[in-house]
Amino acid sequence: QKEVEQDPGPLSVPEGAIVSLNCTYSNSAFQYFMWYRQYSRKGPELLMYTYSSGNKEDGRFTAQVDKSSKYISLFIRDSQPSDSATYLCAMSADLGAQKLVFGQGTRLTINP
Amino acid sequence: EAGVTQFPSHSVIEKGQTVTLRCDPISGHDNLYWYRRVMGKEIKFLLHFVKESKQDESGMPNNRFLAERTGGTYSTLKVQPAELEDSGVYFCASTEFWATNQPQHFGDGTRLSIL
Repeated sequence: QKEVEQDPGPLSVPEGAIVSLNCTYSNSAFQYFMWYRQYSRKGPELLMYTYSSGNKEDGRFTAQVDKSSKYISLFIRDSQPSDSATYLCAMSADLGAQKLVFGQGTRLTINP
Repeated sequence: EAGVTQFPSHSVIEKGQTVTLRCDPISGHDNLYWYRRVMGKEIKFLLHFVKESKQDESGMPNNRFLAERTGGTYSTLKVQPAELEDSGVYFCASTEFWATNQPQHFGDGTRLSIL
């Protein structure tokens, strides 16, 4: 069983829709939860990170962590065609000094 | 501030040959990580340097892979001899030494194709 499970999609939605992306995990030692966005032929670009449980909002993006359920989510409001990319969840026990464990990534397309 | 730089961006070699990938971390970043993504799979950790020392190399697949970071600046990852299953995208990331509240910054990767 993988430590982090993420539906690879692909996911296609119309412009303006609310997008929900999710990951589940099995390792209770994970304390930091990250969402990266990756465009084609580019490296992962950090969108948001959250420590422990709770919500974090940044513009049109909201990250949620439920440690009791080992479930994290990323919501994108008012989605734009420029949001089309692969979204990767990643986790670690320590934010900057330990390895990240990634989900497989969800390929998202926002249709104009 | 320059980001994490990797080169080459793409390398195509034949099975049995040797290839060396290079990563230049963000200036001043002592933590350097190598990751790899093979087709259809998730990005997986290979190893972690703190300055010039290997802190964790639990993800290195076998002894055909050799990572070095002489002087604690840039790092190289050598594959010798390359096998077909080594094809994938190799990413490098870095953080400052006391990085408990800083996420990892990634380069754009080296796409390695073994024929």
